[in-house]
Amino acid sequence: GEDVEQSLFLSVREGDSSVINCTYTDSSSTYLYWYKQEPGAGLQLLTYIFSNMDMKQDQRLTVLLNKKDKHLSLRIADTQTGDSAIYFCAEILGGGYNKLIFGAGTRLAVHP
Amino acid sequence: DGGITQSPKYLFRKEGQNVTLSCEQNLNHDAMYWYRQDPGQGLRLIYYSQIVNDFQKGDIAEGYSVSREKKESFPLTVTSAQKNPTAFYLCASKPTSGRAGNEQFFGPGTRLTVL
Repeated sequence: GEDVEQSLFLSVREGDSSVINCTYTDSSSTYLYWYKQEPGAGLQLLTYIFSNMDMKQDQRLTVLLNKKDKHLSLRIADTQTGDSAIYFCAEILGGGYNKLIFGAGTRLAVHP
Repeated sequence: DGGITQSPKYLFRKEGQNVTLSCEQNLNHDAMYWYRQDPGQGLRLIYYSQIVNDFQKGDIAEGYSVSREKKESFPLTVTSAQKNPTAFYLCASKPTSGRAGNEQFFGPGTRLTVL
């Protein structure tokens, strides 16, 4: 079945690295996404990775993909208070309309 | 500026009333989506539309209805048949071609509360 799982909460100290993990079930997913949601707002695409890649780096963000274990992670270097938000992992299924399956979201709290 | 707008930001409804949430985009995207978000859960797909005058049910369509008369507009009606409508509703759109990643762009959301 379709399922994306994430831990619900992560607390880090400002300046440390944050690692948010995600597991997915559909091995045929072509793209995997990380979205960020600030309080009371919509979702903002942070980054995505194509399924034939192992790693993607974009400034402070590093995405690692382990297709064998169906495991995706997002690392945020030098975490800042502005990074406090909910982070959603999502996989895309095919079938004509490109359905997105979201995890429940990981709430990242950054403290001094 | 191009983007997706949703209105209103907050909406209160009495039990038994229908209410319509607005979603407009000027990105020239063909596909549009409605999601529902509940605390501690991921987004669940209500309805989607790939082209004008066509739409399909998502995973939780019961108690909701949509229309797609114009490319830029995809309003969602929450009917009295929806038993637990209090939630945060998010609209999204996506171009059908020409962009790597197939990403969906999200509006700011509407928080609906049933009194």
